[in-house]
Amino acid sequence: EAGVAQSPRYKIIEKRQSVAFWCNPISGHATLYWYQQILGQGPKLLIQFQNNGVVDDSQLPKDRFSAERLKGVDSTLKIQPAKLEDSAVYLCASRNSSGSFGTDTQYFGPGTRLTVL
Amino acid sequence: GNSVTQMEGPVTLSEEAFLTINCTYTATGYPSLFWYVQYPGEGLQLLLKATKADDKGSNKGFEATYRKETTSFHLEKGSVQVSDSAVYFCALSDRGSSNTGKLIFGQGTTLQVKP
Repeated sequence: EAGVAQSPRYKIIEKRQSVAFWCNPISGHATLYWYQQILGQGPKLLIQFQNNGVVDDSQLPKDRFSAERLKGVDSTLKIQPAKLEDSAVYLCASRNSSGSFGTDTQYFGPGTRLTVL
Repeated sequence: GNSVTQMEGPVTLSEEAFLTINCTYTATGYPSLFWYVQYPGEGLQLLLKATKADDKGSNKGFEATYRKETTSFHLEKGSVQVSDSAVYFCALSDRGSSNTGKLIFGQGTTLQVKP
């Protein structure tokens, strides 16, 4: 079974530029998460999708971050304009929602490392 | 709010030493508890999990027991190997009213095992 795919793996941009990340979850996984992992910290949830609907985006800085999952499969996360403090690894995870939310395992992609200069 | 606290790293051990990485949590409701591992250059992988009090999760020689009375989920391994060198994250998933399944992570503990 293929894992969660993310691209690009690395991205370097200057502040005020825009950037987009792509995620392809495990086939059949209805729930998709985007996390931000700042160096030296644990990942923090940015947004959660159930199929193509947003479940939780309370921690997403909506003035600059946006995300979509139009067909309930792939997802993109965009930052526009980027700030220095956005330098982090952006992790995508997916989960099969057939069971209780709290017990099913989330599977993580390799992440995209963003450096904002 | 819900939170997870892990012991500060880095933890440096010699091969075959005993490992303990402490993890305590604060949560409303009845969370599920997880340990994830991140090897250098790789993504997060689930190491083990426990879904209710007194459950013991185990995998690859690692163990952790869900202790509701002490709100802890300490990770242990009897004999570490160089290949266990990685960053270990403790996490909880709240099964309360929001029930979104989102994970709340600790800050991570770096383990370095020397031959």
